[in-house]
This record gives sequence, structure tokens and C-alpha cells, in this order.
Amino acid sequence: GAGVSQSPRYKVAKRGQDVALRCDPISGHVSLFWYQQALGQGPEFLTYFQNEAQLDKSGLPSDRFFAERPEGSVSTLKIQRTQQEDSAVYLCASSLGTGLSTDTQYFGPGTRLTVL
Amino acid sequence: ILNVEQSPQSLHVQEGDSTNFTCSFPSSNFYALHWYRWETAKSPEALFVMTLNGDEKKKGRISATLNTKEGYSYLYIKGSQPEDSATYLCASGAETGRRALTFGSGTRLQVQP
Repeated sequence: GAGVSQSPRYKVAKRGQDVALRCDPISGHVSLFWYQQALGQGPEFLTYFQNEAQLDKSGLPSDRFFAERPEGSVSTLKIQRTQQEDSAVYLCASSLGTGLSTDTQYFGPGTRLTVL
Repeated sequence: ILNVEQSPQSLHVQEGDSTNFTCSFPSSNFYALHWYRWETAKSPEALFVMTLNGDEKKKGRISATLNTKEGYSYLYIKGSQPEDSATYLCASGAETGRRALTFGSGTRLQVQP
């Protein structure tokens, strides 16, 4: 079956622009995670959804970052007024269960955001 | 917040060499350890999930061990091939608290033909 997909794969934004990154999880997966990977670092947690409920947004770096999953499937990560420090790869992952740390997370290919 | 560290940062080996990497993590509040392989321009691919002290997992030429008491895991690749070239990430999950995984910064492996 289809894996996790993300779009766009690459995004270049001018500083101050708003961007929206899309994630299509594996069909039927309950849990959805967003991670941010800066150059030379490992992925860092941003936010977690269980179905449509955003249960944890403790990793969002500022109030310019907003995520939603209104129907419990597709998710969008929005960054307002982008800054250069937002340049990173944004990874989406989904898992079948309720997000226990023993569950395998299936990742998309990521969106590489470059803010000029 | 867990701190997960991986070493070495990068590794160059010749085809046919065997190699291993280390992942260290705080042993308190440990629940699960994940290994992923991430090839350039592709999605990270799950290799193993391990939970029990002494766990050993194997997938083809790749194997992993887990020591939860001292807080480390080893990933071994036997007879490296050019297609093994990738970044290998480990991630730790806590028993309580948030469900997200905490990742190390990865070991980048390049296998020369």
C-alpha cells in the first residue's frame, strides 16, 4: 500500500512569507507526528495528533507554528512569517496505534524548507 | 527530555567490511529503542524496535542489540554493500510522558565499492 506522502518536497520562501506543508498519512493510522530536522541534527518533535485531536504541541518552537488535522487524516503544518531559522527538513510520521513509544512510526520523505 | 547520542558521526568503509555504530540513551524512564535507515531523497525506513534488556534483532545482514541497564544499543552491519550507504538514526521512547521519539543525530555510513 501507499506510504506516507508529503508535499511539497521542496519549498523556498522569502523571509516573512507564510508556508503550508501537507502530510498524507497511511490510511487508517490513528497517530500522526511532525518533526523538524535542522542541518546536522536529528529530527526533533514538534507536535502529535491522535485522530483529529492535537494531544501534544509542546515541541512547536513559537506561536508562528500551527498544525491541524481536521478530519483525522491529512495534516497541515503552517508556519507564519517565516524566519531563516525555520529552514529545515520537516518530517511527518504516522503510526497505527495510539502513539505508544513501542509503535513503529512510518515516515514520509520530508519537506525541505529554505527561507531566504 | 531524553538525550540520545550516536557515534561515530560518520563512517567510510570498503565494500565487504563489517561495521558497527553505537547509540546511547538515558536508562531511566526507558521504554523503547528504534533504529531507522535513511537514504538520501527517501523516507526514513524502520529497521528495529526493541524494548527488553538483552534484546537482539536481525534483518538480513543487519543486527542490533540492546542494553537498557547501561543505556546503549549497537547496530552491526556484516559485509557492507554500497546500497547500505545511508544515515542510521536511533530514537528512544519514554514510558511516561509524551509519545514522541527522541532522536540522535545519526551515523552517516558510506560504503565504497
